[in-house]
Amino acid sequence: AQSVTQLDSQVPVFEEAPVELRCNYSSSVSVYLFWYVQYPNQGLQLLLKYLSGSTLVKGINGFEAEFNKSQTSFHLRKPSVHISDTAEYFCAVSIFGNEKLTFGTGTRLTIIP
Amino acid sequence: DAGVIQSPRHEVTEMGQEVTLRCKPISGHDYLFWYRQTMMRGLELLIYFNNNVPIDDSGMPEDRFSAKMPNASFSTLKIQPSEPRDSAVYFCASSLPVELSKWAQHFGDGTRLSIL
Repeated sequence: AQSVTQLDSQVPVFEEAPVELRCNYSSSVSVYLFWYVQYPNQGLQLLLKYLSGSTLVKGINGFEAEFNKSQTSFHLRKPSVHISDTAEYFCAVSIFGNEKLTFGTGTRLTIIP
Repeated sequence: DAGVIQSPRHEVTEMGQEVTLRCKPISGHDYLFWYRQTMMRGLELLIYFNNNVPIDDSGMPEDRFSAKMPNASFSTLKIQPSEPRDSAVYFCASSLPVELSKWAQHFGDGTRLSIL
């Protein structure tokens, strides 16, 4: 079975500083990888996804992520964060051909003015 | 475009009572997912449907939980009898077939359930 690990439960970052949110996955078969964002009192929204092709994936709101197969990682980055990026970020994995998503435990990103 | 609509947004009830959560998926989406989110366990998939048929209910915690999808535009998640440990935020999500959606699920805003 596949699993996702988000080691950082909380990440405080100063406004306009860069940020990296870490995600590692475990699977014996090929996977698809996703990052979702959850703003307070809302459902999850898809930020970006890696299905195949280029290992650098760009998403909405200036976020990007890089798939690293050898390190089984899919870290999320943004070069300069804004107050509006305050939210919880979830990494998720799906086995090829399966519509089920397995989510990580989430990382709460707090932007410090 | 209307997104996934869940009702009620908040529910507070006493243990032992029946609770019914409702979901209207995005029109044209043929997958529907029910999730539960808690601090302790994170986001868990409870059950999902394809074309109104339950495909995988292995995440349903116990027999007190049941879910139905009588038609393409409506689903319910029922807890009977409810217990304090059922307190959580319950999300409904829907998606197109994976060849079209590429696994992008659209989430509702959730129902915050508190069992006293």
